[in-house]
Amino acid sequence: EVRLVESGGGLVQPGGSLRLSCEASGFTLGDHYMEWVRQAPGKGLEWVGRSRDKTKSYTTDYAASVKGRFTISRDHSQNSLYLQMNSLKTEDTAVYYCARSGLLGATGGHYCDYWGQGILVSVSS
Amino acid sequence: DIQLTQSPSFLSASVGDRVTITCRASQDINIHLGWFQQKPGKAPKLLIYGASTLQSGVPSRFSGSGSGTEFTLTISSLQPEDFATYYCQQLQCCPLPFGGGTKVEI
Repeated sequence: EVRLVESGGGLVQPGGSLRLSCEASGFTLGDHYMEWVRQAPGKGLEWVGRSRDKTKSYTTDYAASVKGRFTISRDHSQNSLYLQMNSLKTEDTAVYYCARSGLLGATGGHYCDYWGQGILVSVSS
Repeated sequence: DIQLTQSPSFLSASVGDRVTITCRASQDINIHLGWFQQKPGKAPKLLIYGASTLQSGVPSRFSGSGSGTEFTLTISSLQPEDFATYYCQQLQCCPLPFGGGTKVEI
């Protein structure tokens, strides 16, 4: 059974840093693209970033709103995905979801087919 | 960057109704579009990928269509468990934005 469990959220002051973890089980992390998606309170979903699989050398892409401040990394020995968040702003307050991105369909697209339960990050003074 | 515009933002419907949600992309994205359902306090759930392919385990009353810049999600006969918020997402990297969401209410 595929399972994703996020941890590391909490309250942080503006300008501070936080690292989220996503522990994966039930599949081989290195074989899959992984995504971070967030949702501010009462708002819609916002894609944060992507980590590609080993065939793409785990390269990453980020939304413009977080580029240069957030970094996605992996530790395959721990079967975990991370989101390092620096220079946090109040507008980064959100529930952060880790998602596995499965290769689905004939056109080879990667779609978030499994999601964690989400973890709340609050940025406030 | 590609933007997605979903309509309507809110939709009032009754059990048994046929419901259609539209997602428009600012550029041609072929069929690289997914639809998600989200219930309050829960993670999103993938319903449809490749614009029209039903994800495993999703009831057949859900269907998707479209290509290029215009896409639709249809629920043929709304059930009580379908009251939720629906999002489209374009998957032509990158970025990978979501639409603004459509809340389906009773």
